[in-house]
Amino acid sequence: AQKITQTQPGMFVQEKEAVTLDCTYDTSDQSYGLFWYKQPSSGEMIFLIYQGSYDEQNATEGRYSLNFQKARKSANLVISASQLGDSAMYFCAMREGNAGNMLTFGGGTRLMVKP
Amino acid sequence: ETGVTQTPRHLVMGMTNKKSLKCEQHLGHNAMYWYKQSAKKPLELMFVYNFKEQTENNSVPSRFSPECPNSSHLFLHLHTLQPEDSALYLCASSQEEDSAANNEQFFGPGTRLTVL
Repeated sequence: AQKITQTQPGMFVQEKEAVTLDCTYDTSDQSYGLFWYKQPSSGEMIFLIYQGSYDEQNATEGRYSLNFQKARKSANLVISASQLGDSAMYFCAMREGNAGNMLTFGGGTRLMVKP
Repeated sequence: ETGVTQTPRHLVMGMTNKKSLKCEQHLGHNAMYWYKQSAKKPLELMFVYNFKEQTENNSVPSRFSPECPNSSHLFLHLHTLQPEDSALYLCASSQEEDSAANNEQFFGPGTRLTVL
């Protein structure tokens, strides 16, 4: 079974609107961390936001927020006020407490922002 | 230089060639990683080095040989590759603390490898 599932291979959003990118995960660990990365066409993976499994509040970083629903095992990324520069691949990743420092990535979602 | 750098950015090689990819991190981190990113597949972890010691080898074929001479440098030596090894190879680093799950990995720009 896949540990990280991103069901949206591609999405369009109008500039200045908000968009939600879906991520569901599968783990039996109580302690784990969830990450979102952005990969522009240049190839570099850029860290966006982190959510710990014990964090009470949803993580926020500027225009990025993470909608963490632990019971549903989902960690959706919300981007507010989309900009043209947000067009990129977005990857959800998980680090499980018993897996050392290994990250498992989902298949990614390509976001395209329309002017 | 800042962050994580990788050279070369692009590499084309024949199946009989020997080449090396280089990664350098300027962040003072104690862990480094090699990932492979193929088209239409999730990012695959290849190797992990903690404090210069290899701690993970994710069933990678022996034609890929990593080397970590110090905590700032990581190499991936390539020999007798196959066309299906063509991919983007990403290096990353992180500062690993005990029992902490929130140590984000910082990535380099990658080397785009094409095997003919």
